[in-house]
Amino acid sequence: LAKTTQPISMDSYEGQEVNITCSHNNIATNDYITWYQQFPSQGPRFIIQGYKTKVTNEVASLFIPADRKSSTLSLPRVSLSDTAVYYCLVVNNNDMRFGAGTRLTVKP
Amino acid sequence: DAGVTQSPTHLIKTRGQQVTLRCSPKSGHDTVSWYQQALGQGPQFIFQYYEEEERQRGNFPDRFSGHQFPNYSSELNVNALLLGDSALYLCASSFGKRLTGELFFGEGSRLTVL
Repeated sequence: LAKTTQPISMDSYEGQEVNITCSHNNIATNDYITWYQQFPSQGPRFIIQGYKTKVTNEVASLFIPADRKSSTLSLPRVSLSDTAVYYCLVVNNNDMRFGAGTRLTVKP
Repeated sequence: DAGVTQSPTHLIKTRGQQVTLRCSPKSGHDTVSWYQQALGQGPQFIFQYYEEEERQRGNFPDRFSGHQFPNYSSELNVNALLLGDSALYLCASSFGKRLTGELFFGEGSRLTVL
């Protein structure tokens, strides 16, 4: 299963758009890309999942280029409550691998 | 509607002992998977249970075993505990045996091995 690489940390300000990129160079045909959010002392919470191109839901967008070797999670207009660790995950029906996570800090 | 519940929330064991952690899935879900999350790291997939059988397994030794009951709840057992087994153990539930798709996580059981 493809290894994922994300920035260790990012800072942003309230109201800004935040883009977190994940690298997964060895992604396989059957692999999906999923993103989770985790607050301290809580389990991860699903944000979005995609296979290719662009996926959008009520909280985020996920951009996946044609080669699928990377993906970008876009959070529009972040607030202080979006301060959390964000995990990029490569998953297929046999295995899954979480990245080390990106700690996002949103400042007032 | 109760989400995924795990017990106990915290526990302390000594090296060589055995531990059992419990998980009740979200209502309507039939699949349970378990994860180990060491401090400051991402979760690592241990295994998945569907229809009372282990379906998929990550890179964990046989000391880690599990069980799923007819009501879809699950247990994680770890034998011969090592100091390195200290971690947050997360349970997630979903519908259907596919690993892809949305997982609903519990808040975890924090295990400390002394």
